[in-house]
Amino acid sequence: AQKITQTQPGMFVQEKEAVTLDCTYDTSDPSYGLFWYKQPSSGEMIFLIYQGSYDQQNATEGRYSLNFQKARKSANLVISASQLGDSAMYFCAMRRRGNQFYFGTGTSLTVIP
Amino acid sequence: GAGVSQSPSNKVTEKGKDVELRCDPISGHTALYWYRQSLGQGLEFLIYFQGNSAPDKSGLPSDRFSAERTGGSVSTLTIQRTQQEDSAVYLCASSLDSGARRETQYFGPGTRLLVL
Repeated sequence: AQKITQTQPGMFVQEKEAVTLDCTYDTSDPSYGLFWYKQPSSGEMIFLIYQGSYDQQNATEGRYSLNFQKARKSANLVISASQLGDSAMYFCAMRRRGNQFYFGTGTSLTVIP
Repeated sequence: GAGVSQSPSNKVTEKGKDVELRCDPISGHTALYWYRQSLGQGLEFLIYFQGNSAPDKSGLPSDRFSAERTGGSVSTLTIQRTQQEDSAVYLCASSLDSGARRETQYFGPGTRLLVL
């Protein structure tokens, strides 16, 4: 069963605009963690932001913020003031008990100058 | 640098041959993961090593795939009798495995495997 769903295979955003990348997840565990990673064309996976299932506030890391809606099981990534260097694949992932990570299929973001 | 390293960075092999992919995790990281990423796809979990515990092999796609971790550090992923569908990028990641939920994985640059 698909545990992480990213429904946007590709997204475009104008430079300096904000963009939201969608992620929904499926788990019955009360304790889990949600992660977003960036994968530029060079291939390395870069950790961006984390949200815990018990966290009361949405996570923020610089221009990245996570719109966490627990009841809807969604954890959307918001990138503010997009830059050309933000063009990359973005993966949502969930960590459940047992330390196994589940990844979505990714969203390809292109920032247009 | 003290990041996760993988070798080789690229590997081209013929169908039916065996290949070995190596991962050297960050020093002190007790958890080590292998993933497979096919072209345009997400990451497929293969296997997870945690300290001295038995590895979680639930993601290995067939018995042609095996992995070991010697001395709690370096890991080798072996694919026997390679098939063309094994062509993918194989990513290794490590983490401290401190038990903290927010603990992230740190990824290596990957090995790009092409089976002809």
